[in-house]
Amino acid sequence: AQTVTQSQPEMSVQEAETVTLSCTYDTSESDYYLFWYKQPPSRQMILVIRQEAYKQQNATENRFSVNFQKAAKSFSLKISDSQLGDAAMYFCAYLPGWGGGADGLTFGKGTHLIIQP
Amino acid sequence: GAGVSQSPRYKVAKRGQDVALRCDPISGHVSLFWYQQALGQGPEFLTYFQNEAQLDKSGLPSDRFFAERPEGSVSTLKIQRTQQEDSAVYLCASSLAGANTEAFFGQGTRLTVV
Repeated sequence: AQTVTQSQPEMSVQEAETVTLSCTYDTSESDYYLFWYKQPPSRQMILVIRQEAYKQQNATENRFSVNFQKAAKSFSLKISDSQLGDAAMYFCAYLPGWGGGADGLTFGKGTHLIIQP
Repeated sequence: GAGVSQSPRYKVAKRGQDVALRCDPISGHVSLFWYQQALGQGPEFLTYFQNEAQLDKSGLPSDRFFAERPEGSVSTLKIQRTQQEDSAVYLCASSLAGANTEAFFGQGTRLTVV
């Protein structure tokens, strides 16, 4: 079974600074997808960024980028120029590639990100 | 609709009561998932539908949990004889199909069993 570990229960960063959230995972598969989701107090999960395991290039979405280290099974999220609206719970998630999307996501326990004004 | 809609947003049930939680996925989305999110935890997979077929229910915690999607659109998660450990947020997500399509989540139903 796959596991996803987020070792930082809470992180705090000054507005406009850069913060990195850590995620490690364990799988025996070679084909899979990794995601970072944001969950504000409204509870709705919002996709921040995704990475296909077969792609060596790290995904980037505006101020959000990942550092994907496949051999180390590490998938960290970097948020640049942090904004007050970035404050939320952030979840790392794994999806096997062979299930055609039929398998549910496996989530970590989350990191609570606090933005200091 | 514009997004995944779940109702009710909040539900308080007395222990032993049956509850039904509703999910309206995005129109045309083939895949539908239910997750359970306990306080301070990440969501955990409960069950998966492809259209009206329930293809995976391996995550349902007990036979008190039952889900259906009879016409391949709206889905209902039913919990019979609720227990305190059932208290959680129940999230629904839908996607077009396939692993490379984005899953869109609803705002969840917070169930509190007293």
